[in-house]
Amino acid sequence: GAVVSQHPSWVICKSGTSVKIECRSLDFQATTMFWYRQFPKQSLMLMATSNEGSKATYEQGVEKDKFLINHASLTLSTLTVTSAHPEDSSFYICSARRDVPYEQYFGPGTRLTVT
Amino acid sequence: AQTVTQSQPEMSVQEAETVTLSCTYDTSESDYYLFWYKQPPSRQMILVIRQEAYKQQNATENRFSVNFQKAAKSFSLKISDSQLGDAAMYFCAYRTQGGSEKLVFGKGTKLTVNP
Repeated sequence: GAVVSQHPSWVICKSGTSVKIECRSLDFQATTMFWYRQFPKQSLMLMATSNEGSKATYEQGVEKDKFLINHASLTLSTLTVTSAHPEDSSFYICSARRDVPYEQYFGPGTRLTVT
Repeated sequence: AQTVTQSQPEMSVQEAETVTLSCTYDTSESDYYLFWYKQPPSRQMILVIRQEAYKQQNATENRFSVNFQKAAKSFSLKISDSQLGDAAMYFCAYRTQGGSEKLVFGKGTKLTVNP
């Protein structure tokens, strides 16, 4: 099966700093990737859809300037949390969409802790 | 907008027994896909089973099967011969058609398997 990686798996940063999370499709090209946020004991909440070579599409209520998404290549999308605050602490999951045959594959997630 | 409802926050089953997890959804589309995902304590999302709405036959994957009732907009997951490794959060998901074809998740059901 297809593999999606995320890096880092766990990051701790200080309030006010920025942190970048990478999502890579290792053995297929992904024109579309998705970024989710998951709070403890809750479901996945879609934050944005990342499209290669174009601007990301954000879900309602998600701050574009705070959660910067870049999909620079067919195998890499990045999520940058800018000026992080403790309330941004969460589990962030990406998924990559393979078009032929269609399937979404999830990364293992990144735990962000903002102190 | 599509919605997915999982009415059972928690379920438990004895090892080797059968358990059914419920899911209902709301949509005005006639063609769509439904999924069950498993999220173990590692938090890696794992696809359990998929159902295409245009197929009348219920999908089956080894010990996992679904009862898809399109008119009732119901999509339950049956786990037979439950194993300790089946303990996890289970999420029902609906894939929207057109555009980015994003996934809409239910709130999840926590399954406990008792030895």
